[in-house]
Amino acid sequence: GAGVSQSPRYKVTKRGQDVALRCDPISGHVSLYWYRQALGQGPEFLTYFNYEAQQDKSGLPNDRFSAERPEGSISTLTIQRTEQRDSAMYRCASSLQEHNEQFFGPGTRLTVL
Amino acid sequence: QKEVEQDPGPLSVPEGAIVSLNCTYSNSAFQYFMWYRQYSRKGPELLMYTYSSGNKEDGRFTAQVDKSSKYISLFIRDSQPSDSATYLCAMSAPGNTGKLIFGQGTTLQVKP
Repeated sequence: GAGVSQSPRYKVTKRGQDVALRCDPISGHVSLYWYRQALGQGPEFLTYFNYEAQQDKSGLPNDRFSAERPEGSISTLTIQRTEQRDSAMYRCASSLQEHNEQFFGPGTRLTVL
Repeated sequence: QKEVEQDPGPLSVPEGAIVSLNCTYSNSAFQYFMWYRQYSRKGPELLMYTYSSGNKEDGRFTAQVDKSSKYISLFIRDSQPSDSATYLCAMSAPGNTGKLIFGQGTTLQVKP
């Protein structure tokens, strides 16, 4: 079956612009997670949802970052007023339930010029 | 200090060798421990999952957790060139099992 999909796969933007990254989880998966992965590093937790409820947003670096999952399926991670330090691979994962295996998507490579 | 420490390597071994990968952690609340494998330009995929202390074996892979020492290990027997990848440890605490804390990852190369 279809895995986790993310779009766009690559995003190049200018400093100061807003970007929206989309995640489409595996059908039927209750939990959805966002991570950021710098080159040569492990994924860094940002936030996660159970259904449409945001359970933990402690990993969001600052208030320029926000995420939503309004209907408990597709999620959007929004970064406002992007800065060069936001450049990274943004990964989404989903799981059947919160404590189950997390399946990762291919990621969105964000480059802020 | 990071909550989870992992030697980034790289680690290079000949085919057939036994590989030992390790992580240490500082948060005693962690109860769930995972090993993910990540091939180049791909997302991580779950390899092993253990709860609390003890050993778990799956084919050529064995995961060990020593909570008293806050130390986890992954052993790979009869390593193959296809095992060449980055191995990431990850862990979470009860009550917040969705929040995985990852190590930096160890890059492994198995030479034919």
